[in-house]
Amino acid sequence: EADIYQTPRYLVIGTGKKITLECSQTMGHDKMYWYQQDPGMELHLIHYSYGVNSTEKGDLSSESTVSRIRTEHFPLTLESARPSHTSQYLCASSGHPRTRDGYTFGSGTRLTVV
Amino acid sequence: KNQVEQSPQSLIILEGKNCTLQCNYTVSPFSNLRWYKQDTGRGPVSLTIMTFSENTKSNGRYTATLDADTKQSSLHITASQLSDSASYICVVSDRGSTLGRLYFGRGTQLTVWP
Repeated sequence: EADIYQTPRYLVIGTGKKITLECSQTMGHDKMYWYQQDPGMELHLIHYSYGVNSTEKGDLSSESTVSRIRTEHFPLTLESARPSHTSQYLCASSGHPRTRDGYTFGSGTRLTVV
Repeated sequence: KNQVEQSPQSLIILEGKNCTLQCNYTVSPFSNLRWYKQDTGRGPVSLTIMTFSENTKSNGRYTATLDADTKQSSLHITASQLSDSASYICVVSDRGSTLGRLYFGRGTQLTVWP
C-alpha cells in the first residue's frame, strides 16, 4: 500500500513539450526528494525540499524545476523536454532523521522524450 | 568514484538456493546503512536499516550484516523465490548534514530461475 504517489507512471512526449510530474505523500513528511535513475545506474538527487516554500537543487544538474506549496505535494516541471531527459524519475519523502524514518519511494515515472 | 560499491553487478541463481550480496562503502561520518529491493519499473522498497551499533538485522528471508570497522555490509537471501528477482540497492547515509544525505550503490541485479 503506497503512501507516496507518482503520476503518470509512464509518459511519452515530443521534444519541446512542457510536462509536470506529480508527487504526493500522505505521511506528513517534511522532506521530499526527486531522483533521476538511468538503467543499471545509481539514483542521483536532482531536487529536494525541507518543507513548504523550501526547495534546493541536488547533486545532479537538472533543467527541471520544482515547487513546494503544500506539505504533501512536490511536483517537478520540465519547461521544454528533450531526448536527454529520457529517464526514470523517482519521488521520495522522509521524516526527521532521528526518528529513523526510512525514505519512502514512489513507484516512479518512466519518461521518454521522442 | 562512487562512495558505495556493490558486488556482484548481476547474479543468477536457481529457485530455492541461497545467495549473498556485498556492499562496501567509504561514506564518513557514517549514520546508517539501508538495503532496498527495486522491482523493474518500480520504486525501491526498504528491506532493512542498520545503525553503527547494529551488526545484523533480519526481515523474513533477508538478513543484512554490517561491519562498521571494515565498512562492509552483506545481504543474505535464504531459500530464494522467483519473486526475489529484482535489483538490490545498498544505501548509506552520513551524519554530516541535517539532510542525512544518502549515497546509493548501483545495485546488484538478481535473477532467480525456476
